[in-house]
Amino acid sequence: QSALTQPRSVSGSPGQSVTISCTGTSSDVGGYNYVSWFQQHPGKAPQLTIYDVTKRPSGVPDRFSGSKSGNTASLTISGLQAEDEADYYCCSYAGSYTYVFGTGTTVTVL
Amino acid sequence: QVQLVQSGAEVKRPGASVKVSCKASAYIFTRDYIHWVRQAPGQGLEWMGIINPSGGSTEYAQRFQDRVTMTRDTSTSTVYMELSSLRSEDTAVYYCARDGLEGTDLWGQGTLVTVSS
Repeated sequence: QSALTQPRSVSGSPGQSVTISCTGTSSDVGGYNYVSWFQQHPGKAPQLTIYDVTKRPSGVPDRFSGSKSGNTASLTISGLQAEDEADYYCCSYAGSYTYVFGTGTTVTVL
Repeated sequence: QVQLVQSGAEVKRPGASVKVSCKASAYIFTRDYIHWVRQAPGQGLEWMGIINPSGGSTEYAQRFQDRVTMTRDTSTSTVYMELSSLRSEDTAVYYCARDGLEGTDLWGQGTLVTVSS
């Protein structure tokens, strides 16, 4: 099972929007509506940001949103804030109770 | 307080095994599957496998199939991940994470495993 492909880094100024892509195959991202996104600050455990492609856990600001088209899922951060600077990972169900993570994206707030 | 608490850091020699524990608190232990995920220094997250605390069934990532064993003890609400034949590339932080009603919403604090001669 190969890791899902994410851009190594994205950046934006405060208040702008950024979008992170997560590209897999029809055996993972494209085959199921079970894509999650995790935010990870340095030295901390990952935190769930989006699950089931579009759902936002309680406590996550609504400036975070998820979507999917074909084999590519996306996370959009609208109204970028300084505290959004972190690493972001997508994760997809890949069938038979297996999962695969993305390669990770560093978001920099300029 | 709903939480997953993992065992402490370990230092192991190449070829040895390590067993990391993950104790669940304040929720129904047998309701939610538990993932194990690792992160090598400066690297990304890697999914290792999943265990159903209810029946004990497991599914492992292919690359760990012959080296990893996940078990659980329902009497103490604890899951375990044992990795054998350790090599330097296994140096990483190992996390357990709950697959709850609203996604993988609860993570342990992580356990650093260092493999060094």
